[in-house]
Amino acid sequence: QKEVEQNSGPLSVPEGAIASLNCTYSDRGSQSFFWYRQYSGKSPELIMFIYSNGDKEDGRFTAQLNKASQYVSLLIRDSQPSDSATYLCAVNMGAGNMLTFGGGTRLMVKP
Amino acid sequence: GAVVSQHPSWVICKSGTSVKIECRSLDFQATTMFWYRQFPKQSLMLMATSNEGSKATYEQGVEKDKFLINHASLTLSTLTVTSAHPEDSSFYICSASTGYPQETQYFGPGTRLLVL
Repeated sequence: QKEVEQNSGPLSVPEGAIASLNCTYSDRGSQSFFWYRQYSGKSPELIMFIYSNGDKEDGRFTAQLNKASQYVSLLIRDSQPSDSATYLCAVNMGAGNMLTFGGGTRLMVKP
Repeated sequence: GAVVSQHPSWVICKSGTSVKIECRSLDFQATTMFWYRQFPKQSLMLMATSNEGSKATYEQGVEKDKFLINHASLTLSTLTVTSAHPEDSSFYICSASTGYPQETQYFGPGTRLLVL
């Protein structure tokens, strides 16, 4: 069964620190990778996507992809209390437009 | 861009009634829409994939006769929960795929259903 794994957390970091969120996936042929943020009681919102090995930066967010290790991560620099949410990793494993979601990592940024 | 709306945002209904939830892509055409369900403190669970003009593909364990999906246009998909029961109470979220990158899903705000 094709899977996406995330540590459920909570991951607690102090305000201003770097938060590092990790995700592994089972299908070596996966091509596209997404990070979503979900606040409690709300629906997921797209943060960013990555296709190629290496880093992709967007503001305070950096996605890192290592296809050889089947590993994708999200770094949040200068973490703010407003970043406290559940972060979902999603992977397209080739089944059309369908994404396989991880269970999410809950991030808590403490003032 | 890539805005998805859902209506209604909240529904409270009596057991045995049917509830229709609409999902619209407001500023793009979505060839594929997805319906998810999420119980409190649990992960997103994909219920079905809906392509415009064709029958929805349901995930294993999801009753197609209970959760009717219609995707009549490139901007509208509907989910009807037929004969709802208290165990159907959940957070229902739709998403839509835009043109580029193809697999990106943009989520609607969700619909909370409470069946009494």
